[in-house]
Amino acid sequence: AQSVTQLGSHVSVSEGALVLLRCNYSSSVPPYLFWYVQYPNQGLQLLLKYTSAATLVKGINGFEAEFKKSETSFHLTKPSAHMSDAAEYFCAVSERNAGNMLTFGGGTRLMVKP
Amino acid sequence: EPEVTQTPSHQVTQMGQEVILRCVPISNHLYFYWYRQILGQKVEFLVSFYNNEISEKSEIFDDQFSVERPDGSNFTLKIRSTKLEDSAMYFCASSEAGAYTIYFGEGSWLTVV
Repeated sequence: AQSVTQLGSHVSVSEGALVLLRCNYSSSVPPYLFWYVQYPNQGLQLLLKYTSAATLVKGINGFEAEFKKSETSFHLTKPSAHMSDAAEYFCAVSERNAGNMLTFGGGTRLMVKP
Repeated sequence: EPEVTQTPSHQVTQMGQEVILRCVPISNHLYFYWYRQILGQKVEFLVSFYNNEISEKSEIFDDQFSVERPDGSNFTLKIRSTKLEDSAMYFCASSEAGAYTIYFGEGSWLTVV
């Protein structure tokens, strides 16, 4: 069975500061990993994905994530936070033989202070 | 950019009533999904649908729920007799055949009173 843990339900950073949102996963087979973002009153938007190519994945809006198999992690980073990054971020895992079923983490709400 | 569209965006219904949530997946996608998010909880998988039949379903997706693709564009989730605990945001999603990236709609917020 697969599972995802996101450390920190709320993260607050100053504008211009580094953003680090943590995600650890558990999977019995090599996983596919995803980050989705949900802006207020909107749906889930794909930010980036890892599907077994390069371990460092770049996404939209300057975000990137690194797949570390030894640490079972897929942390999301952005060098410099912008006010528009304030949103809820969800990490998700899909096992390659599980018919595209995504298992989500609990989400991390990112707040950006001016 | 193609997107998954859902209607209604909000619905309030009386307990025991039937509800149908509608979705138009991305046009060339062949896999369709419903997920839900109860307020303050994780996004949870309900069901996946391919080739006009359910391919996977979770424990949540009991006999109260059903899905249908009534025509070439719509994908629906029916909740037969709503309960208070069905109050949640319901997300429709779709993906291409052989692809692992799932694209979500903006959600339908269901409130059961």
